[in-house]
Amino acid sequence: EDQVTQSPEALRLQEGESSSLNCSYTVSGLRGLFWYRQDPGKGPEFLFTLYSAGEEKEKERLKATLTKKESFLHITAPKPEDSATYLCAVPSGNTPLVFGKGTRLSVIA
Amino acid sequence: DGGITQSPKYLFRKEGQNVTLSCEQNLNHDAMYWYRQDPGQGLRLIYYSQIVNDFQKGDIAEGYSVSREKKESFPLTVTSAQKNPTAFYLCASSQGRVEETQYFGPGTRLLVL
Repeated sequence: EDQVTQSPEALRLQEGESSSLNCSYTVSGLRGLFWYRQDPGKGPEFLFTLYSAGEEKEKERLKATLTKKESFLHITAPKPEDSATYLCAVPSGNTPLVFGKGTRLSVIA
Repeated sequence: DGGITQSPKYLFRKEGQNVTLSCEQNLNHDAMYWYRQDPGQGLRLIYYSQIVNDFQKGDIAEGYSVSREKKESFPLTVTSAQKNPTAFYLCASSQGRVEETQYFGPGTRLLVL
């Protein structure tokens, strides 16, 4: 069964303390890996799509990278406004996205 | 201003009652989706539709029903058969194929009285 596993479940950082979130997946023939940001009580907001190993995408303090087995979301010098839950997802067979449980990020000023 | 709207923001259900959650999009997307999110859990797929008048069950379709009579609209009914309906419900849409980017609405929180 295709699976998406995110780690850690929760991460607490000081403002300016860089770190990485992990998303590992087991699917046959990756057709894209998606990262979303979700604020409490709101719908997920699309961040990135990665399609092939070695691909990287950046947006402000966030950079997503992809290997054949996992993706990392690197957060450089985070600010309190980066606090959110970050979700990753992959398509599985003929069905839509399978989501991981997310990493809950807290950035403390 | 294109996007996805969900209403209401909060919904209360009494025992034995069916309730319907609204989802509308003006993105001209072909595909629409319904997910359920419980605390500490990822999103779980309830139903999805890739074209008008057609839809498929997701992983947790029992106790739910949908219709897709118009491209812009994909309402979800939570029936009395759903014994644990309290959750955050999210609607999404994408251009067409299942591997394309999904864009989400703001969500509806359903509570049982």
